Amino acid sequence: DAGVIQSPRHEVTEMGQEVTLRCKPISGHDYLFWYRQTMMRGLELLIYFNNNVPIDDSGMPEDRFSAKMPNASFSTLKIQPSEPRDSAVYFCASSLNRYSPLHFGNGTRLTVT
Amino acid sequence: DAKTTQPPSMDCAEGRAANLPCNHSTISGNEYVYWYRQIHSQGPQYIIHGLKNNETNEMASLIITEDRKSSTLILPHATLRDTAVYYCIVAGGATNKLIFGTGTLLAVQP
Repeated sequence: DAGVIQSPRHEVTEMGQEVTLRCKPISGHDYLFWYRQTMMRGLELLIYFNNNVPIDDSGMPEDRFSAKMPNASFSTLKIQPSEPRDSAVYFCASSLNRYSPLHFGNGTRLTVT
Repeated sequence: DAKTTQPPSMDCAEGRAANLPCNHSTISGNEYVYWYRQIHSQGPQYIIHGLKNNETNEMASLIITEDRKSSTLILPHATLRDTAVYYCIVAGGATNKLIFGTGTLLAVQP
């Protein structure tokens, strides 16, 4: 199994631009999570899905952030418009069920200038 | 979910056992103890989890006290590649939503 695949690995964009991060979970996993990691705040859970349905988006910082999961094998996290304070590493993770361990991708490092 | 307390950093000599402590005094009966680690520039990696019995796998052992208020992760023979931040997380119930704290930075010294 290839594990959780995230793209791109690095993204550099200018303030005000739209950014889309992509994630392919492990096949057969019912849960998908988006986390953000910064030096100041550590790893923060942004949103998670169960069977493609958003369950808890209380960690999404503001309306500029949106996440979708159109099917079981693909999810996106979009930031529009992006701001410098959005610079962070964004991780996607998936798990087989609610009791199973999370498997993380290698993240997307986002830099907004 | 219950809160956990871990030392910010620890050192360990290569080849020796690394014992990483975690306090979770407010853990409830249906909550599990999970351990993850994050090697620099990588995503967190699952290590082990348990409810109340001690657990062992190919990576580590997890010792949970009888009152479940604390636990210890044991890496039996630490190598330089075990240098990472180790996170102890308590979670359970209706969700496997994991809240990561600041963890312990384990530095394995040659």
